[in-house]
Amino acid sequence: GNSVTQMEGPVTLSEEAFLTINCTYTATGYPSLFWYVQYPGEGLQLLLKATKADDKGSNKGFEATYRKETTSFHLEKGSVQVSDSAVYFCALSGSWRDNDMRFGAGTRLTVKP
Amino acid sequence: DTGVSQDPRHKITKRGQNVTFRCDPISEHNRLYWYRQTLGQGPEFLTYFQNEAQLEKSRLLSDRFSAERPKGSFSTLEIQRTEQGDSAMYLCASSLSDTSGNTIYFGEGSWLTVV
Repeated sequence: GNSVTQMEGPVTLSEEAFLTINCTYTATGYPSLFWYVQYPGEGLQLLLKATKADDKGSNKGFEATYRKETTSFHLEKGSVQVSDSAVYFCALSGSWRDNDMRFGAGTRLTVKP
Repeated sequence: DTGVSQDPRHKITKRGQNVTFRCDPISEHNRLYWYRQTLGQGPEFLTYFQNEAQLEKSRLLSDRFSAERPKGSFSTLEIQRTEQGDSAMYLCASSLSDTSGNTIYFGEGSWLTVV
């Protein structure tokens, strides 16, 4: 079945450091890929998405490229801020029946001043 | 703001009591989902509706759980005879059905603590 594997955390970085959170997936067909972010005590917010191979999703300085050859969708940001501290979830939607959406376990990011 | 809203945000209940959560989706969205999230884990799918029809239920949804969406708008999730293992955040989400890759929008969640 479809699944997502995320880099285990927690990740602690200093402000302005480069961020990479790895995500790989297993799916049949052509899934859509997502990154969601969850701030303390809140629900999930969509950060970015990509719906086909080689697409790059981007938002708020974060980027992720849909790599079919490596089945990956790694999240990157060139210069993190304290306000980026949150839990990041990689997710996959296998088809238009998006009840198939699967989430990774999440990676907690802490950015220190 | 016309995002997904959930009520209550926090609920503390004694074991054995019933609780009900309400979700109001984004108004034009025809799909509504319930997920459960425990600490340190990603959301786990519980059930989803397309309009008023409940189309799928996860095996995680025991007989003590029931969800309704009577008019295809708001939804309720009821947990009967709560157990300590039910303590979690219950997330509601909605989307507009599309051919593929449509985005699910989440509410802020309802925290349940069973004591």
